[in-house]
Amino acid sequence: NAGVMQNPRHLVRRRGQEARLRCSPMKGHSHVYWYRQLPEEGLKFMVYLQKENIIDESGMPKERFSAEFPKEGPSILRIQQVVRGDSAAYFCASSPGLLGTSLNSPLHFGNGTRLTVT
Amino acid sequence: AQTVTQSQPEMSVQEAETVTLSCTYDTSESDYYLFWYKQPPSRQMILVIRQEAYKQQNATENRFSVNFQKAAKSFSLKISDSQLGDAAMYFCANRTSGTYKYIFGTGTRLKVLA
Repeated sequence: NAGVMQNPRHLVRRRGQEARLRCSPMKGHSHVYWYRQLPEEGLKFMVYLQKENIIDESGMPKERFSAEFPKEGPSILRIQQVVRGDSAAYFCASSPGLLGTSLNSPLHFGNGTRLTVT
Repeated sequence: AQTVTQSQPEMSVQEAETVTLSCTYDTSESDYYLFWYKQPPSRQMILVIRQEAYKQQNATENRFSVNFQKAAKSFSLKISDSQLGDAAMYFCANRTSGTYKYIFGTGTRLKVLA
């Protein structure tokens, strides 16, 4: 059973270009969460999506960032007109259902995409 | 607002010795979960151990155990018989029951000396 798959593993973009990060959740998982890890910091929540729906994007920067999770295919985190401050590791996680009261709904993380903006 | 604080940016331990990583948190919630994640150089986030706040008994997973002090809002991780493969960044995290957001600390880099 494959885990959460993220690609690419590393992505280099020049300032002003677009970055597209992909995440395929674990099989059977329909909930996806994106987190960002800036250098020397912990992971910070960005957005929570279910198939075809954005549930909570309170952690997303208001401009240039968008996310989608279509009916078919992976979840995409898109960053337009990247700036140096966007350089970070972006992690995707998935769960089989909404993380609720049960500790047995763990969050499964992918290996992240490291974005470098030059 | 919920916060998680790891005051030790870096720790070192001799192989086979014991080390304790500190974590404090702040929350107004009464029902929550606490986690320790390990992040090796591969960048993978690996769940090491988890604790339910309503349980008084400290969680243990083989060589890993926690000291959960709810009143002090402290959740330290003890690694016994340290191995070279334990070298990694360790993140403490908090999640309120019924929510999906994890709040992470800034991490502690653990070095294991041969």
